[in-house]
Amino acid sequence: SAVISQKPSRDICQRGTSLTIQCQVDSQVTMMFWYRQQPGQSLTLIATANQGSEATYESGFVIDKFPISRPNLTFSTLTVSNMSPEDSSIYLCSVMTGTEAFFGQGTRLTVV
Amino acid sequence: GEDVEQSLFLSVREGDSSVINCTYTDSSSTYLYWYKQEPGAGLQLLTYIFSNMDMKQDQRLTVLLNKKDKHLSLRIADTQTGDSAIYFCAEKPNAGNNRKLIWGLGTSLAVNP
Repeated sequence: SAVISQKPSRDICQRGTSLTIQCQVDSQVTMMFWYRQQPGQSLTLIATANQGSEATYESGFVIDKFPISRPNLTFSTLTVSNMSPEDSSIYLCSVMTGTEAFFGQGTRLTVV
Repeated sequence: GEDVEQSLFLSVREGDSSVINCTYTDSSSTYLYWYKQEPGAGLQLLTYIFSNMDMKQDQRLTVLLNKKDKHLSLRIADTQTGDSAIYFCAEKPNAGNNRKLIWGLGTSLAVNP
């Protein structure tokens, strides 16, 4: 299993600013996944963060808007840059160990 | 392509059984999952089934897999108000070393007293 500590749990931000979300895992994992869950929606994968290489972004997501760091095998950050109200969402980090996916508690972001 | 579909809403009475259905398109999927998300909380793995199994039972939960029809269901026996949540179906495609999951939109289960 894996325990993921994600912070902040929530934030209210002004448009045009940036927010960095952190995830710490209690074990070493090769890949970490960043998801967005918009109100009433399912999870949309933003990118896969690999240690030692650039993140792999899904269609519709770009590095300039969602830069990701992965300095070691237990930690990753996702930055939501130049925020607009459309970025209001829950952001979740996740890891897979063996056959199971584990999630952080999520960051509820509101952009005003 | 890869796609997972679920009905969006289900309402049941307390004590009844709930059945949440899911269909998927990738026949190479190795594992299929059910996750639960309570209001304001993260996702919690409920159960998963390997693609070579037809059924898996875990206390009040029964998962049925029809691989021919690419249909997965989750049955919750004796549904309680604490079971009210969104239930997500997900599949893990057998695509090389790609470990990402493909998610359904989630089924919102309402349990009425």
